[in-house]
Amino acid sequence: AQKITQTQPGMFVQEKEAVTLDCTYDTSDPSYGLFWYKQPSSGEMIFLIYQGSYDQQNATEGRYSLNFQKARKSANLVISASQLGDSAMYFCAMREGQTNAGKSTFGDGTTLTVKP
Amino acid sequence: EAGVAQSPRYKIIEKRQSVAFWCNPISGHATLYWYQQILGQGPKLLIQFQNNGVVDDSQLPKDRFSAERLKGVDSTLKIQPAKLEDSAVYLCASSLAPGFNSPLHFGNGTRLTVT
Repeated sequence: AQKITQTQPGMFVQEKEAVTLDCTYDTSDPSYGLFWYKQPSSGEMIFLIYQGSYDQQNATEGRYSLNFQKARKSANLVISASQLGDSAMYFCAMREGQTNAGKSTFGDGTTLTVKP
Repeated sequence: EAGVAQSPRYKIIEKRQSVAFWCNPISGHATLYWYQQILGQGPKLLIQFQNNGVVDDSQLPKDRFSAERLKGVDSTLKIQPAKLEDSAVYLCASSLAPGFNSPLHFGNGTRLTVT
């Protein structure tokens, strides 16, 4: 079974608007972390934001926030006030604490295009 | 701090040839990973090291791929012999710890083309 599912292969957003990128996950491990990474066309993977399974509050980092709904097993990334430089591929990933030796499993990504 | 260093950035080889990639993680990072990323897909873990020991190599095609991490620092990933389907970006990453709250820090990757 897919551990990380990103159902949106591509998304478009107008500059300065907000956009939500979807991510659902599957695990029976009570201890896990959810991560979002950005991969511009240059190829480097850049860590954006982290949410732990025991965290009560949704994580925020500048214009990035993570909408964590534990019961639904979803961890959507919200980018506010989109900028042209946000155009990139975005990956959701999960690390499990007690199983899989902390291996990071990635989804297949969402390509975000910001329109001027 | 210096990031994860990888070389070369690009490599073109013919099928059945061999190739090696090098990675130097962030200083102090005990955990090192090699990922394969095929165009249009997410990264797939090939091998994970904790210091100089292998933690997970379940998805490494061991008949042709090998990896080592000498003295728990630098790492080399080798493919011999290469196949057409090995064309991909090979990403090296490191993390401070193997715990579930530790993010991965990636290098720029090596883009391999097998002709």
